Order: sequence, then structure tokens, then C-alpha cells
Amino acid sequence: EAGVAQSPRYKIIEKRQSVAFWCNPISGHATLYWYQQILGQGPKLLIQFQNNGVVDDSQLPKDRFSAERLKGVDSTLKIQPAKLEDSAVYLCASSLAGNSGNTIYFGEGSWLTVV
Amino acid sequence: AQSVTQLDSHVSVSEGTPVLLRCNYSSSYSPSLFWYVQHPNKGLQLLLKYTSAATLVKGINGFEAEFKKSETSFHLTKPSAHMSDAAEYFCVVSDKYGNKLVFGAGTILRVKS
Repeated sequence: EAGVAQSPRYKIIEKRQSVAFWCNPISGHATLYWYQQILGQGPKLLIQFQNNGVVDDSQLPKDRFSAERLKGVDSTLKIQPAKLEDSAVYLCASSLAGNSGNTIYFGEGSWLTVV
Repeated sequence: AQSVTQLDSHVSVSEGTPVLLRCNYSSSYSPSLFWYVQHPNKGLQLLLKYTSAATLVKGINGFEAEFKKSETSFHLTKPSAHMSDAAEYFCVVSDKYGNKLVFGAGTILRVKS
């Protein structure tokens, strides 16, 4: 079974530039998550989708971050303009449905360095 | 709000000796708890999960964890460490509906030969 796919794996940009990350969840998974993992910290939830609707985006910095999940499958996460503190690993995850007992599967992450 | 505290940022053991990674949680309801492992440049992998069934949970690669409500703990153990166990381990609690995962800060496990 194919896992959660993410691209690009690595990206280096200058501050104030923009960047976009793409995620393809496991086939059939209705729930998709984007997490931010800053070096030395545990991942933090940015946004959660159920199909193509947003369930939770309370920790998404909406002045610069945006995410969409058109057609309820793939998702993109965009940062514009980027700041130095956005340097982190962006993890995409998916699960069958957003309720207890369903395992959440993570991709390998997209590493962002802002210089 | 729920939270987890991993009591050690780094743990170092010799190969073949027991592993203990400590985790305390805080939750206003009966929690679901997880341990995830992250190898360098790899994605997070689920080791085991507790969802209000048996309090002793067995996971992959010989790991297990015991849910102790009286101590609000969910420590991860393994009888004998292997070199391939060297990685970062995260204790995780989910929200009431199992949707949102809240991660601890992580414990880096080093295994010496």
C-alpha cells in the first residue's frame, strides 16, 4: 500500500519569497492533516481537512499560510511571504476518518529552510 | 486542554539493555495515547496506541507501554535495545474525538554498541 506522498522533500528560499508543498494522502483517507515540526520540538497541527472541508485551522497563521484540498484528495500548503521562523519540516498525514481509533499515517515531510 | 510531557530529552543505553522512555499526560477526559518513532530523515511511524482497552499495550519491534491512570503516565519500554532503535520517540495524546494529535517534545534515544 502506498504511503503519504509529499513533495518537494527539500526547499531553500529567501525570506519574503513564497513556497508551496504538495501532499497526496493514502487512497481512501478522508482526513488530511498538515503539521509543522520545528527543530527540537514535536509536530504541531496547522490544519485538518475532512474531505475538502476544514475541520480545524486554529493554529494556522492565516496572514501568511494557506492550504486547500480541492476535490477532497490532494492538498497544497502555501507560505507567502516566508519568514525565517518558518524554517521547519512540514508533515502531511492522513487517516480513514477523524475519529478515535483510526491510525494517522505520516509522510516523510518537506524540509523548508528560509534564509 | 490535553498535553504530554516527555521527562527526558535524551536517553542513552547500551545495546542489549532495557529501554525506558517516560511520558506523563494531562487530559480532562479518558485519553487516547500513542507512541511514534522518527528515524533521521524519515516520516513518523506509529509504534503503539492505547484507546481504553487493555492497559498494557504491545507495539511493533518489541516495544510496549503501560497506561497508568493513577500516575497519569504512559511510559515506553523495551527489554533489550537494538542499534536500529536509535531514533527520536514522541509521546502523543489525541483530543476527545481522536482528531487532533498533541505531541510531546520528543526523546532522542541513543544506543551504544
